[in-house]
Amino acid sequence: AQSVTQLGSHVSVSEGALVLLRCNYSSSVPPYLFWYVQYPNQGLQLLLKYTSAATLVKGINGFEAEFKKSETSFHLTKPSAHMRDAAEYFCAVGGYQKVTFGTGTKLQVIP
Amino acid sequence: EPEVTQTPSHQVTQMGQEVILRCVPISNHLYFYWYRQILGQKVEFLVSFYNNEISEKSEIFDDQFSVERPDGSNFTLKIRSTKLEDSAMYFCASSEERDTEAFFGQGTRLTVV
Repeated sequence: AQSVTQLGSHVSVSEGALVLLRCNYSSSVPPYLFWYVQYPNQGLQLLLKYTSAATLVKGINGFEAEFKKSETSFHLTKPSAHMRDAAEYFCAVGGYQKVTFGTGTKLQVIP
Repeated sequence: EPEVTQTPSHQVTQMGQEVILRCVPISNHLYFYWYRQILGQKVEFLVSFYNNEISEKSEIFDDQFSVERPDGSNFTLKIRSTKLEDSAMYFCASSEERDTEAFFGQGTRLTVV
């Protein structure tokens, strides 16, 4: 069984501030972990993924995430938020044949 | 870059009608999936499909739903008799191997009236 918990359904940051979106996972097998972004009325875009290589994963748009097995976490960060980062972010865990998504975190960027 | 394409982008149907959502997965991919996202909620797994048969399905995927790969390129989701609660964004995805990255399409927004 696999599951994902995203802490905080809404996060607000000021433009230029650090973005931190939290994700904890549970998986009975070594996990593949993903972060997806969804802009309003659009589909899912993969930001980054962890597939058991480097624990610090760099993605698109300046985002990165660190896999911490001891904490079962895969938090998403970006050093400096831009207005265009305002979207909903989904953490997901994949194992055999299906991806399980978290409930999502809406990121608001305040000018 | 190869991508998963879904048609139509938006479909409106009357309650009780049958609807078919279409997807063209990435050409060398072998595993196909449907997911659903009800407005304001999380993305939920519906079904996975491999080698012309369902390999896993969720409790949401009841007898009203069916999937098919009618030819070498399309992958379809049929809802036999739509209900209001079927209104959602439906995402198709495909992956090359069983547990490699799934690539998602842009989704079909289904509205049942």
